[in-house]
Parts: sequence; C-alpha cells; structure tokens
Amino acid sequence: DIVMTQSPDSLAVSLGERATITCKSSQSVLRTSNNKNYLAWYQQKPGQPPKLLIYWASIRESGVPDRFSGSGSGTDFTLTITSLQAEDVAIYYCQQSSGFPYTFGQGTKLEIK
Amino acid sequence: QGQLVQSGAELKTPGVSVKVSCKASGYSFIDYFVHWVRQAPGHGLEWLGWINPKNGAPNYAQKFHGRVTMTRDTSINTVYMELTTLRSDDTAIYYCMRGPANGGFDYWGQGALVTVSS
Repeated sequence: DIVMTQSPDSLAVSLGERATITCKSSQSVLRTSNNKNYLAWYQQKPGQPPKLLIYWASIRESGVPDRFSGSGSGTDFTLTITSLQAEDVAIYYCQQSSGFPYTFGQGTKLEIK
Repeated sequence: QGQLVQSGAELKTPGVSVKVSCKASGYSFIDYFVHWVRQAPGHGLEWLGWINPKNGAPNYAQKFHGRVTMTRDTSINTVYMELTTLRSDDTAIYYCMRGPANGGFDYWGQGALVTVSS
C-alpha cells in the first residue's frame, strides 16, 4: 500500500498569515502515461464530509478560493493557504489515487493562533 | 448540481450485516465510478473500494475482500455497500463519493453512521 504521511499533525496560524501543510507518499503517485500526479487535497469541517479542494496535485476544484494552492510532484506535495481566514479552520487530508488501495494521509488539524 | 444521498444511521450487533444505500442525482449515473470510504470516530479516512455503475464491476480494498459487496441498481441511480460479519471496530461513518477520472472525489454523500455494539 502507498503510505501517505502528512506534517505537521496540527498547526496554529494567525488570521491573514500563511499555512503550509506537507504530504509525502511512500511511492511516486505520478502516472507516466499522462504525466499527472494523482494527489488530491480535502478540507473537513466538524460534522461534514470532506470537501475536495485540489486534484492532480495543483488544480483547484471549481469554486475553491484562490488562497488555496497545491504544488509538488512524485512523492512530495504541499498545500498552501495564503491569508488564512476564520472559515479555514478544519482538518486537511491528502489522498492518492495512483495505486490500489487508495490511501489518505492521517490529517492535519488547522487552528487559529 | 449533482448530489449523493445516503440511507440513515444503523445500529447493529456483532456478527450481522449492514447495507448502506447511496442515491445519485443531477448527473449521468453510469458515467462515474462510485467509491466508498469510512471514518471511525476521531480517526482518518479508509477507502473500501469502488463500483463502476455502467457494468456493475467492483474493485475492493484487499483488507475488506470477502466481507464487502458493492452493487448498483441503474433503474433508480443507486449503489449499495454491504459489509458482513460486523465487528465493533467497523463502527464508523460510511461515505459514498463520485470519482471522476482526475482521481479526486468531488461529490460526497452526507455519511451514514454504522454503530456495532452488543
């Protein structure tokens, strides 16, 4: 199985500041057939299902604010939230769909400092 | 706008089965795989598998092989996930999701809490 490891486990950032979450996979999630990284990012708020933010490592899902961005390739990925807003408090997960079984990171809890 | 609506919460005793439904609307049902994940209380997300609604072909995570069955009824745009021989550690919220080819899950059901307790 591809193991997804996020860091940090929790993070406190001041409003208006930048938050950065990293995700490392135990194997490359880059499919050479189409040169796409099968890495997605989700935001989960209490009592709600996760919400897709980013797919293919860097493509924002429709409707997602542009303060959310994704980067990386192969095994190392980053989710960046510029200018943190109060509504961004949530748990963030990365997920790979390059190999079976699909796997998720353990989650990063983002709070306001 | 598409959506997935799941059946309600279930309370089961150890050893029995549970069957959760997921009804799709607002998009072409047969054009997108439907995946299932679960989230145990206070824990992360665990992928169970997917089903191709077009032909009914499933793909299960090895961990659940022999205990999980995913089926669909195209007449009512609904997929089902059945988990057998329930144990206490199967207590979780079970989600269905639409899976487009980009690998991200863009539509999620509201979740169905399955509690296994004697």
